[in-house]
Amino acid sequence: SQTIHQWPATLVQPVGSPLSLECTVEGTSNPNLYWYRQAAGRGLQLLFYSVGIGQISSEVPQNLSASRPQDRQFILSSKKLLLSDSGFYLCALEVMETGTSYEQYFGPGTRLTVT
Amino acid sequence: AQKITQTQPGMFVQEKEAVTLDCTYDTSDPSYGLFWYKQPSSGEMIFLIYQGSYDQQNATEGRYSLNFQKARKSANLVISASQLGDSAMYFCAMREGLADTPLVFGKGTRLSVIA
Repeated sequence: SQTIHQWPATLVQPVGSPLSLECTVEGTSNPNLYWYRQAAGRGLQLLFYSVGIGQISSEVPQNLSASRPQDRQFILSSKKLLLSDSGFYLCALEVMETGTSYEQYFGPGTRLTVT
Repeated sequence: AQKITQTQPGMFVQEKEAVTLDCTYDTSDPSYGLFWYKQPSSGEMIFLIYQGSYDQQNATEGRYSLNFQKARKSANLVISASQLGDSAMYFCAMREGLADTPLVFGKGTRLSVIA
């Protein structure tokens, strides 16, 4: 079965500092990978998704970027954090089977506080 | 326009009673999938149930069932015999098409089960 690792679990960073959140997956090959952000008490906002190595689609313009250097690794980055970047960041994977999919599996999340 | 609408920000239900969480969706794509996720206070996202647009019967998974009314574009989640552990945020989500498109989430409903 698939497993998703995210680190760090929690992070407190000052405004203007860089960011790197890592997501790695096990137990599957060639998954679709997603980064979501959830502000406190709010729903999930899709940030990026990737259907393969080096392939990144961005859903919203912002100061964040994503990269997929390896099949099972998905990285979320920022050069300069803003206060509004605070939130709960979730990585998710999805395994496509015969062209259809059923659920996305989510990682444990990273809680980011920008001060 | 919002693609997923959850009109109930919060719901209360007595333990052992059934509860319905509302979800309406908007799409012109004939092929789509509908999902429900549970998010307890720990933050993890737990997949509950899936309904495909071509599925003839309503999906069921244990105490969860999805009341799929295609003409009304609604996909309400029914939880039978509520338990205290059901207290959580519940998110409805949709995927348009069958492959390589991201899920779009609603804003969620907070369910509180009362003893």
